[in-house]
Amino acid sequence: AQSVTQPDIHITVSEGASLELRCNYSYGATPYLFWYVQSPGQGLQLLLKYFSGDTLVQGIKGFEAEFKRSQSSFNLRKPSVHWSDAAEYFCAVSNTGGFKTIFGAGTRLFVKA
Amino acid sequence: DGGITQSPKYLFRKEGQNVTLSCEQNLNHDAMYWYRQDPGQGLRLIYYSQIVNDFQKGDIAEGYSVSREKKESFPLTVTSAQKNPTAFYLCASSIGGTGNTEAFFGQGTRLTVV
Repeated sequence: AQSVTQPDIHITVSEGASLELRCNYSYGATPYLFWYVQSPGQGLQLLLKYFSGDTLVQGIKGFEAEFKRSQSSFNLRKPSVHWSDAAEYFCAVSNTGGFKTIFGAGTRLFVKA
Repeated sequence: DGGITQSPKYLFRKEGQNVTLSCEQNLNHDAMYWYRQDPGQGLRLIYYSQIVNDFQKGDIAEGYSVSREKKESFPLTVTSAQKNPTAFYLCASSIGGTGNTEAFFGQGTRLTVV
């Protein structure tokens, strides 16, 4: 069955420090992969997506993610975190032409001064 | 500006009542979705619609109903059969299936049973 695992329920980083949020997926075919961000009480906003091609994808707000097929991972990174990055982050996977996107449980990011 | 509008932002329901959550989009998207979000569980798909006058059950459709009479609108009714309706509900839309297109989300409706 398709699944997405985000191993970290919450992460705390200092402002200016680097960030990596982990995402592992289980899927039989080549997946379409997404990272979304959600501020408290708000909807989700797309950060970046991977469909094919270069396995390192750039997104908005200085985020990037790397697709590693051998590890079934799609980890999100940012070299220097800002206080405004505090939010919940969701990894998601979908299939070709599909109408169902599977979301991970989310990782809440806290940023300390 | 194009986008998805959900209303109301907060909704309170008495036990045994049906309530309807509104979702309107002006993005000209064919596909629309309803998700339920509970703490620590991510988003779970309730219903989705690929085109007007057609919709499909998602993973947790029991106790919910939808209609898709217009391309722009996809209202969700939470019926009295839904035993645990308190949650955050998100509506989304996409050009086609979410397989290779991103979903655009509304701001959500928080439903509380009182």
